Amino acid sequence: EDQVTQSPEALRLQEGESSSLNCSYTVSGLRGLFWYRQDPGKGPEFLFTLYSAGEEKEKERLKATLTKKESFLHITAPKPEDSATYLCAVQKNTDKLIFGTGTRLQVFP
Amino acid sequence: DAGITQSPRHKVTETGTPVTLRCHQTENHRYMYWYRQDPGHGLRLIHYSYGVKDTDKGEVSDGYSVSRSKTEDFLLTLESATSSQTSVYFCAISDPTGSSYEQYFGPGTRLTVT
Repeated sequence: EDQVTQSPEALRLQEGESSSLNCSYTVSGLRGLFWYRQDPGKGPEFLFTLYSAGEEKEKERLKATLTKKESFLHITAPKPEDSATYLCAVQKNTDKLIFGTGTRLQVFP
Repeated sequence: DAGITQSPRHKVTETGTPVTLRCHQTENHRYMYWYRQDPGHGLRLIHYSYGVKDTDKGEVSDGYSVSRSKTEDFLLTLESATSSQTSVYFCAISDPTGSSYEQYFGPGTRLTVT
């Protein structure tokens, strides 16, 4: 069965304390893996797409990496404004996305 | 921000009443999707459309119907709302060309069925 699992469910960091979020998946025929950021009361905001193992994408303090079984979202020196829920989704050889349940990140000053 | 609006943004309705949610886009994207988001379940696909009058079911389609008569509008209808359909509903759009498959989401509609 296709599955996307994100860990941890929640993460509390001090400002400047770097860490990583994990997204592990079991799908056949992966077309792409997507990372989104979601703020309370808002829709998910697209961050990155990764298509093949070894690929990396960066945006400000965020870097996403992909292996054959998982993806990591690395957050370097986070700030309070990075607090949000981060969602991972995978796409098979269709146009549908399968989402994980997200990691809720809180960054304290 | 992608030009996606949803209406209404909040709605409270009674069990058994029909409800229609609207998604409007100004990006001329071919694909449109309806998701629901519930604690512990993440985002789940209800229905999607790959063109005008072309729709298909997602993983949680029971109790929902959709229509798309114009490229820019995608309607989600709950024929007879139930309390289990209390949720936050998101519309998304995409325009798969070449290697670009990302979906862009609207602001959401919070629906409460009492």
